[in-house]
Amino acid sequence: QQPVQSPQAVILREGEDAVINCSSSKALYSVHWYRQKHGEAPVFLMILLKGGEQKGHDKISASFNEKKQQSSLYLTASQLSYSGTYFCGTAAYSGAGSYQLTFGKGTKLSVIP
Amino acid sequence: DGGITQSPKYLFRKEGQNVTLSCEQNLNHDAMYWYRQDPGQGLRLIYYSQIVNDFQKGDIAEGYSVSREKKESFPLTVTSAQKNPTAFYLCASSLGQGVNEQYFGPGTRLTVT
Repeated sequence: QQPVQSPQAVILREGEDAVINCSSSKALYSVHWYRQKHGEAPVFLMILLKGGEQKGHDKISASFNEKKQQSSLYLTASQLSYSGTYFCGTAAYSGAGSYQLTFGKGTKLSVIP
Repeated sequence: DGGITQSPKYLFRKEGQNVTLSCEQNLNHDAMYWYRQDPGQGLRLIYYSQIVNDFQKGDIAEGYSVSREKKESFPLTVTSAQKNPTAFYLCASSLGQGVNEQYFGPGTRLTVT
């Protein structure tokens, strides 16, 4: 079952902030965030493990609320290079010591001058 | 340089033909994955492998087959039984299955007419 991402698309002017949300109906072990530019491979941004941690680098950060099975990605002071489609991936236990990562449908972020 | 290679970048086939997509990694990763990407659908898991000579079906395995005879290689065959094979196919690998960062190859765009 795919996690649900919102919004589906967002347009920002340079310097504005954005929040992308990801929610799952399953008990999660971790949440992954990736960014994909058109026609290219997804690129890893960060992983958040259960425990309610928050991570960040540069002006992109994320939080994970394991009680609500939700994660949010925060982009502050957006730059043109932030444009792309952002995917969350949720890792849940799938049995026999394995965890399966399931990706959401993505949020298309467009930053304009 | 370590990484994942996929070939070819673009592939054209006639309906009814089987086609094999190549995926090679030199990251010494145990786990490898195949995803299919369609517009607005995110990344959907076709097959994954945690170890040589072992693989499991993902969410949309029907019409596809894989092999894992070597740690470095995880080829995907799109068979004639796959009803809508035209898509962007991404291969990925990770240290462990499910919870570790996934590294993606550049993808193969398959068009079947």
